[in-house]
Amino acid sequence: SSELTQDPAVSVALGQTVRITCQGDSLGTYYANWYQQKPGQAPVLVIYGKNHRPSGIPDRFSASSSGDTASLTITGAQAEDEADYYCNSRDSSVDHVVFGGGTRLTVL
Amino acid sequence: QVQLQQWGAGLLKPSETLSLTCAVYGGSFSGYYWNWIRQPPGQGLEWIGEITHNGRTNINPSLKSRVTISVDTSNNQISLNLRSVTAADTAVYYCARGLTTWGPRWFDPWGQGTLVTVSS
Repeated sequence: SSELTQDPAVSVALGQTVRITCQGDSLGTYYANWYQQKPGQAPVLVIYGKNHRPSGIPDRFSASSSGDTASLTITGAQAEDEADYYCNSRDSSVDHVVFGGGTRLTVL
Repeated sequence: QVQLQQWGAGLLKPSETLSLTCAVYGGSFSGYYWNWIRQPPGQGLEWIGEITHNGRTNINPSLKSRVTISVDTSNNQISLNLRSVTAADTAVYYCARGLTTWGPRWFDPWGQGTLVTVSS
């Protein structure tokens, strides 16, 4: 089965730009979706498909991909962006869902 | 606006069966994938499986032998049964609506989560 690999932790200075990556074989074919999870809360979808934001998600969140790596970029990180971020996609062979291990973002 | 509300027993003994239900309010039930996802304390997300409104299921192979997901279209509800639980099944369990246009599902919205603890 496919796996998605994320860096465990990333930090960014307030107002700066940060990129959170997700690497996996299936990402050479499929997009990654991205979720934000704050402590004690359910995950919230922030990016889906090629680079689509659900209603209410600020436009400082964007996504891109290259080869087997997908990226979530936060341009001008805010204090409220401090959270865990998860990517998901599908297995490269069968129609099963896979999640990355998550990245804890700290805004300094 | 679609909302998912879930409920079920929060404390189980080893070997018992976990049972959770998730109700969908305010939107269409058909045309989506209705999922269960769990998160052990301090860990990441694990996909358990999904069901469509007509009962077609798709289950994580690592849990397939113990998982049943069912649907009640008359009440817009889905249910999860996980048999023979152990401490390793201790987690927050979420239901979530899955959508796709091609390839990977994305999940939106999510239920509020139910903490299930397995302890003797």
